[in-house]
Amino acid sequence: AQKVTQAQTEISVVEKEDVTLDCVYETRDTTYYLFWYKQPPSGELVFLIRRNSFDEQNEISGRYSWNFQKSTSSFNFTITASQVVDSAVYFCALSTGGNNRKLIWGLGTSLAVNP
Amino acid sequence: DAGVIQSPRHEVTEMGQEVTLRCKPISGHNSLFWYRQTMMRGLELLIYFNNNVPIDDSGMPEDRFSAKMPNASFSTLKIQPSEPRDSAVYFCASSYIGPYNEQFFGPGTRLTVL
Repeated sequence: AQKVTQAQTEISVVEKEDVTLDCVYETRDTTYYLFWYKQPPSGELVFLIRRNSFDEQNEISGRYSWNFQKSTSSFNFTITASQVVDSAVYFCALSTGGNNRKLIWGLGTSLAVNP
Repeated sequence: DAGVIQSPRHEVTEMGQEVTLRCKPISGHNSLFWYRQTMMRGLELLIYFNNNVPIDDSGMPEDRFSAKMPNASFSTLKIQPSEPRDSAVYFCASSYIGPYNEQFFGPGTRLTVL
């Protein structure tokens, strides 16, 4: 069975703190894709990043970084020097690609960055 | 390029009425997804289409819900008759069938059934 677990339901930090959002996945497939989405208070779902199972290289985009570790089946997301605008619900998702287009979603982590 | 377009953005209706939600996917995308989001159940996939053909509708709650995709640029989700428990935000998303399948979401339709 495929599953995505985001154990942190809510996180609250003070601006400029670093924060890591955890994502643990389960799949028996050798080819799969992992995603992070952001849902700000305005409600839209914004695609942040996609990672495939053959590429364990970490990714950095500005203040955002992602740590993919197959050994622990984790795909964690770190925001460095958090800002109030980072306040949102963040979702991790899994897909095995191919003909199956479905994403398996985590329940999301609500991040509040306080001034 | 325009993103996924959904209409209406907000819909308030009375129980028993028919509701039709509309979606225009990103041009060139050939997969389309309908989701429902509530506080209680989170984000749920209702149905998805590949090349205008429904592939998986196992998430459709019951016969009151139906979805169509008559062409590559338009899809509808219909609820008839609507019930208060259908109140939710409904998202449409599209993606391109290829090695990767990140989905791009529309702004959502907030449905309130009184």
